[in-house]
Amino acid sequence: DGGITQSPKYLFRKEGQNVTLSCEQNLNHDAMYWYRQDPGQGLRLIYYSQIVNDFQKGDIAEGYSVSREKKESFPLTVTSAQKNPTAFYLCASIGRRQGMGTEAFFGQGTRLTVV
Amino acid sequence: AQSVTQPDIHITVSEGASLELRCNYSYGATPYLFWYVQSPGQGLQLLLKYFSGDTLVQGIKGFEAEFKRSQSSFNLRKPSVHWSDAAEYFCAVGSGNQFYFGTGTSLTVIP
Repeated sequence: DGGITQSPKYLFRKEGQNVTLSCEQNLNHDAMYWYRQDPGQGLRLIYYSQIVNDFQKGDIAEGYSVSREKKESFPLTVTSAQKNPTAFYLCASIGRRQGMGTEAFFGQGTRLTVV
Repeated sequence: AQSVTQPDIHITVSEGASLELRCNYSYGATPYLFWYVQSPGQGLQLLLKYFSGDTLVQGIKGFEAEFKRSQSSFNLRKPSVHWSDAAEYFCAVGSGNQFYFGTGTSLTVIP
């Protein structure tokens, strides 16, 4: 079955460390997104990519970096410059289904905690 | 600019009671409209969507939503809520490969 896989489900980061969150999809979608979710703040867009080797900053890109070397993969790196990284991170891919319009598909999320 | 407003941050209903979650959007053309549900610690699951045709849309788990162009609304309804419906609900507007989410409505179901 097609879908999006995020790993790991839980991740712990020490102060000053960079960590990378994985997001893989086999839906053949061009567009992929990273969101951050904090209690009471909904989904905030970090980065998105509409095509391989291209990506754009979202609303809260500072302290994060991404790459899009393959269509299937869109990893997110939380750098030491991100001062408050503890949050729930969601990856999504967006694409069309025949006759059904556009739809966003989500991974199960990664909870990052700074220790 | 596109935007989605969910005016209710938190709603509490009794099990068996009816439910309506509000969603208003701002968009220049007829958008694709979605409702997603999120259980604690999980990703978002699509409940239903509207992209054309009948303005009353049926979804999974007994939910439905009605697109009202004149009111720029896409409210989610369920005639009888179950305890398992307790979750966070997100309304979204989609256009091409761009999605815009509301801030969510947290639903508590009491016995």
